[in-house]
Amino acid sequence: KNEVEQSPQNLTAQEGEFITINCSYSVGISALHWLQQHPGGGIVSLFMLSSGKKKHGRLIATINIQEKHSSLHITASHPRDSAVYICAVPDDKIIFGKGTRLHILP
Amino acid sequence: SAVISQKPSRDICQRGTSLTIQCQVDSQVTMMFWYRQQPGQSLTLIATANQGSEATYESGFVIDKFPISRPNLTFSTLTVSNMSPEDSSIYLCSVEDKRGTGELFFGEGSRLTVL
Repeated sequence: KNEVEQSPQNLTAQEGEFITINCSYSVGISALHWLQQHPGGGIVSLFMLSSGKKKHGRLIATINIQEKHSSLHITASHPRDSAVYICAVPDDKIIFGKGTRLHILP
Repeated sequence: SAVISQKPSRDICQRGTSLTIQCQVDSQVTMMFWYRQQPGQSLTLIATANQGSEATYESGFVIDKFPISRPNLTFSTLTVSNMSPEDSSIYLCSVEDKRGTGELFFGEGSRLTVL
């Protein structure tokens, strides 16, 4: 069974800072998901990637298949980026990390 | 893509009562997934709901406690029965775009507090 670890668990930063959230997994995968969970509980998909890098606005996701590691970066962070960020990998079912709680201060 | 409408968004319930959560998807999907997220924890799969057959429950979850209905390819309900404070969680439904991108889609979540 794949094990998914995220770091840091909690992160507080000032508006404008560059943010990095890390995710590592134990078994090779076909793809990895980055999700964003808002305070109300709803979850939206940010990225699904199987290699290289993807960019959407101020968000960048990278994955290194050999090292079994992925990172989510946020450039020019803003208070509205405050949320829980979750990485997830498919196994016989989806395995979710515990999430990184991000708080951006104005 | 898929848009999932989930309700209720939140509720406060008394011990011993039951609550039914509904999820409506804007497209037909074969499987719908129900998750529980206890405070500070990651998502845990409760069961997979298939249209026309019994739901498949994960270890630690039973049909008597979490009965699921799946009357058609766009709708499912999860009931949390005989609730106790330990059932206070966020419950989410989800689908996967298996025929396309593999992307995951989630409902808005139902935050239950059991007193």
